Order: sequence, then structure tokens, then C-alpha cells
Amino acid sequence: AQTVTQSQPEMSVQEAETVTLSCTYDTSENNYYLFWYKQPPSRQMILVIRQEAYKQQNATENRFSVNFQKAAKSFSLKISDSQLGDTAMYFCAFLIYYGATNKLIFGTGTLLAVQP
Amino acid sequence: NAGVMQNPRHLVRRRGQEARLRCSPMKGHSHVYWYRQLPEEGLKFMVYLQKENIIDESGMPKERFSAEFPKEGPSILRIQQVVRGDSAAYFCASSLDLPNEQFFGPGTRLTVL
Repeated sequence: AQTVTQSQPEMSVQEAETVTLSCTYDTSENNYYLFWYKQPPSRQMILVIRQEAYKQQNATENRFSVNFQKAAKSFSLKISDSQLGDTAMYFCAFLIYYGATNKLIFGTGTLLAVQP
Repeated sequence: NAGVMQNPRHLVRRRGQEARLRCSPMKGHSHVYWYRQLPEEGLKFMVYLQKENIIDESGMPKERFSAEFPKEGPSILRIQQVVRGDSAAYFCASSLDLPNEQFFGPGTRLTVL
């Protein structure tokens, strides 16, 4: 079974500080993609960052970076210089694509609160 | 380039009525996905469609739910004889090709009274 686990239901960080959100996944596939999505109070799903499993280099996108450990099946998100606008629910997701399947499997989310 | 469009944004139905949710993918995208988000939960995959074809409906409830993506027009998710447990946010996403990131619409919040 393909699963994504986010073990931190809620986290809090002070503005300008750094925070790391954890995510682990389970799959027997070798080729897949991993994503972090952000869902602010507006409920819109916004892509934060993506990682191709075949790439060893960790993805970065401005203040957002990942620590991808393929052997450990771990995919954590680091947010540097946290801003009030980063307050949101963050979902880790795993893209399965084989045969006729192409679907995202989501974790249960981590609610991040950035404190002023 | 307009993003994924969904309408209505909010839909209220009484038990037993039908709900129709519409999704227009991003321009040039031929892959459409529907996800459901129950209160306080993550998104759960329901169905994956390409033009005129259902590719993967492994997440769709076997009864009352159906989806289509016609040659012309938006994708439709139809829920017949709604029950209170159908109350949720329904998100549509689209992608340009495979494998690739999926872009999400703003969602339709369905409330069943």
C-alpha cells in the first residue's frame, strides 16, 4: 500500500525563524514524485515545491527547501525566515504514475502557525 | 493563462437531491483529477479522467457518484441522492502530461442539509 505519514499535526514558529515539517512515505516503486502543497485559510491548494525521486539533489525554491532521503523514504520541508503569510496547512504528497494510474496520495497535513 | 476553474464555489443541497460540480482545466491540459477533502482531513483521490475516458476511478464510491470529461466542455462530478456524509470540499486538478505536477482549482464546498 502507498501511504504518506505526517507525524506533526500542528507546529508553531516565530516570525523570521526556521521550521522543519516532517514527512515519510511508503512505496515499492522506484520512480515517483514528491510534493509539498500549502493550503491557507482560503482553502486553495498551492504547490510549494516538488522533488523527482531519481534526482539526488534536494530541491529548493526561495525560502523553501527539502531534505530528501530516498533510502529512509523521508521528505521533510524546511522553511527559512518564516513569514506570517506562511501560516497554513501543509500537505506532503506522493505521485504514483504507473500503468494507467496517475494520482496523488496525501498525508493528513501539518498546521503551521507563524507567530509575530 | 487562467488557472483551473471550478463552479460553483459553494453548493447547498438537501438530502436526496443531486449535486453537479464542474471543473474547467487549465488551457492545454487534458488530464483531470477529482479529490475530496472531508473536514479536518487530507485530500483523497477519487477519479482520473482524460478526454472522454475514465482512466482510474479506484477512489470513487461505487454508488451515487459518477464523473465525466466530455470532448467539449468541463469535467463534471455528479453525486446523486446526496447524504450528509457527502458534505466536503471537492477539488479538481489538471495536468499537462504525465508524470507532472497537478494544478488545483479553488474547490467546491458541498453542504448537505
